[in-house]
Amino acid sequence: KAGVTQTPRYLIKTRGQQVTLSCSPISGHRSVSWYQQTPGQGLQFLFEYFSETQRNKGNFPGRFSGRQFSNSRSEMNVSTLELGDSALYLCASSLGQGGEQFFGPGTRLTVL
Amino acid sequence: GESVGLHLPTLSVQEGDNSIINCAYSNSASDYFIWYKQESGKGPQFIIDIRSNMDKRQGQRVTVLLNKTVKHLSLQIAATQPGDSAVYFCAENRGPPPRDGGTSYGKLTFGQGTILTVHP
Repeated sequence: KAGVTQTPRYLIKTRGQQVTLSCSPISGHRSVSWYQQTPGQGLQFLFEYFSETQRNKGNFPGRFSGRQFSNSRSEMNVSTLELGDSALYLCASSLGQGGEQFFGPGTRLTVL
Repeated sequence: GESVGLHLPTLSVQEGDNSIINCAYSNSASDYFIWYKQESGKGPQFIIDIRSNMDKRQGQRVTVLLNKTVKHLSLQIAATQPGDSAVYFCAENRGPPPRDGGTSYGKLTFGQGTILTVHP
C-alpha cells in the first residue's frame, strides 16, 4: 500500500509570492491534516479536511488556506509569503474516525 | 532578527539499554495520545497510541504509560538500538468536536520533542 505522498519535496520562493503544496493520502483515507514544522515553534496544526470539508483549523492567518478534492487529495496554499513561512510542511492522512495518522515526508519550503 | 529555536531535551543511551522518554500534556480533556518518531529528513512515524481510559499499553519493544492525575505520558523503549536514534514527539488530541458531530483525531497538538541518541 503506497504511503502519503507530498509534492514538491523542496521549494524555494521569494517574499510576496504564493505557493501551493499537494498531498495524496493513503488510498481509502478520507481525512487529511496539515502541519507546519519549524525549529522555533515545533509542529503546529494548520487544518484538517474530511470529505472535502474543513473540519478543524489551527491558529494561522488567513494567508494559509487549503482544500480537499473528491478523491481525498488535498492542497494547501500560502499567499503573500513571508520569511517566517519557511518550514517543513507535513501532511497526514487517516481514515478519519479516530484512526492513526500517517505522515508524508513533507515539503521543505524556503522563502527568500 | 535572530530566531530562537526550541531547546529540545536530549537523551543519550548505550545500545541495549532501556530508554524512557517523558512528556507532560496540558489539557485534561485530551482523550487520545500518540508517540511519534521522526528521523532526519522524514515525516513523523507512528510508534504507539493510548486512549485516556487506559494507563498502559505495550507494543513491540515499546510501552506507553499514561498518568492522568499528573498529566504525564512516557515512552519506554526496551533494548534500545542505534536505529532508534531520532526525535520523539508526544501528541495529544484536544481539538473541539467538528461541526459534523463526528470524532476528529485530525488535530494533534505536539510536544516539543526529545532527541534520543543511541551509542553502539
